[in-house]
Amino acid sequence: DIQLTQSPSFLSPSLGDRVTITCRASQAISNYLAWFQQKPGKAPILLIYSASTLQSGVPSRFSGSGSGTEFTLTITSLQPEDFATYYCQHLDSYPLTFGQGTRLEIK
Amino acid sequence: EVQLVESGGGLVQPGGSLRLSCAGSGFSFSDHFMDWVRQAPGKGLEWVGRLRDKTQSFTTEYTASVKGRFSISRDESKNSMFLQMNSLKVEDTAVYYCARGFCSGGTCYTGDKWGQGTLVTVSS
Repeated sequence: DIQLTQSPSFLSPSLGDRVTITCRASQAISNYLAWFQQKPGKAPILLIYSASTLQSGVPSRFSGSGSGTEFTLTITSLQPEDFATYYCQHLDSYPLTFGQGTRLEIK
Repeated sequence: EVQLVESGGGLVQPGGSLRLSCAGSGFSFSDHFMDWVRQAPGKGLEWVGRLRDKTQSFTTEYTASVKGRFSISRDESKNSMFLQMNSLKVEDTAVYYCARGFCSGGTCYTGDKWGQGTLVTVSS
């Protein structure tokens, strides 16, 4: 099974900051990676797919990059509604797996 | 408008069974991959299984921990998907989400639309 490791697990940035979250895969997965945002008690929301394609309706301050085994999610100019937990997920082979999550809490 | 609504969660004893439903509106299940994803209390997301679309004969995939115990099926007349869960264990306790998939660039992605989730509690 392919393992995804996110770093860091926890971040405490300030409003307006630029944030980068990394997702490393245990083997190459081409660009078959998605990023989700989840707020407490709510279903996840798809932000990015194919590693760098912004899902319709997602603000342009979110961006994704990477291929192979290393991927990043970047949020420029953090807004209050961005404080949430972020997950990566690979779609290369079964079983599909998620990273352990990165929690953003306002400083 | 696309909507997914899960139902069927509840409290069940270890070893028991439960059947979750995912009712869709605003689209046809036959044209989309559909996933079940769960989240144990205070934990991260875990992919449970997938129902492929009609082009791939509605075949299924499962994560190892549920293989042989869980099965995914569909009812086209109700535009619904089901997760039959047998031999339930305490560690199956979670909120279960159904999610609509879509295909792009050589693979099929989970969750451009999600339901609100239904809680399954396995406890004696």
